[in-house]
Amino acid sequence: QQQVKQSPQSLIVQKGGISIINCAYENTAFDYFPWYQQFPGKGPALLIAIRPDVSEKKEGRFTISFNKSAKQFSLHIMDSQPGDSATYFCAAKISSSGYSTLTFGKGTMLLVSP
Amino acid sequence: GAVVSQHPSRVICKSGTSVKIECRSLDFQATTMFWYRQFPKKSLMLMATSNEGSKATYEQGVEKDKFLINHASLTLSTLTVTSAHPEDSSFYICSASPAGTHKNIQYFGAGTRLSVL
Repeated sequence: QQQVKQSPQSLIVQKGGISIINCAYENTAFDYFPWYQQFPGKGPALLIAIRPDVSEKKEGRFTISFNKSAKQFSLHIMDSQPGDSATYFCAAKISSSGYSTLTFGKGTMLLVSP
Repeated sequence: GAVVSQHPSRVICKSGTSVKIECRSLDFQATTMFWYRQFPKKSLMLMATSNEGSKATYEQGVEKDKFLINHASLTLSTLTVTSAHPEDSSFYICSASPAGTHKNIQYFGAGTRLSVL
């Protein structure tokens, strides 16, 4: 059972456009939702994270929107740049239970065309 | 930001040999470290979770005798792939969680590309 569903699998956006990646979760105990960016041959890097007590968090060009009732959250990349081309993973975690592990989505390959 | 160093970045070995991969948290103490395996264009698959000074917790389907994990200190965890076979070829990634208030955050290493001939 996949607990975090991510879409789309791949995405092509023109430079300057908005990239939108969506995730949906099933476990209502999740209360920490990070997004990771991974370049080929490298490990994932934490991009931005949100908790369910807020509906939106913005850091630079990256924004997470969170809809608790729908159990969905999304990553928006404004003014997308070719350097943003990477694979993006959403994840979810139960923060209260010690070292509980991250549950990852399957990833979205983003290509920003020049 | 917090740095996790993983070594080696790439290793090629013969079938039947053992390979050790090191994961170090450079500027923080990591009470918990995680080992993942990633196939091309796929998501990260958690292999095991290790806490300093205790035995690792392996995910279902991961052979603990084949993938030996040691977390001897708060800054070092090692993964040893024993008697490696070509099907063990993969990208292995470690991550570390700091102690205290930032325990939810996982900082990832750069990964190790293992190729077994």
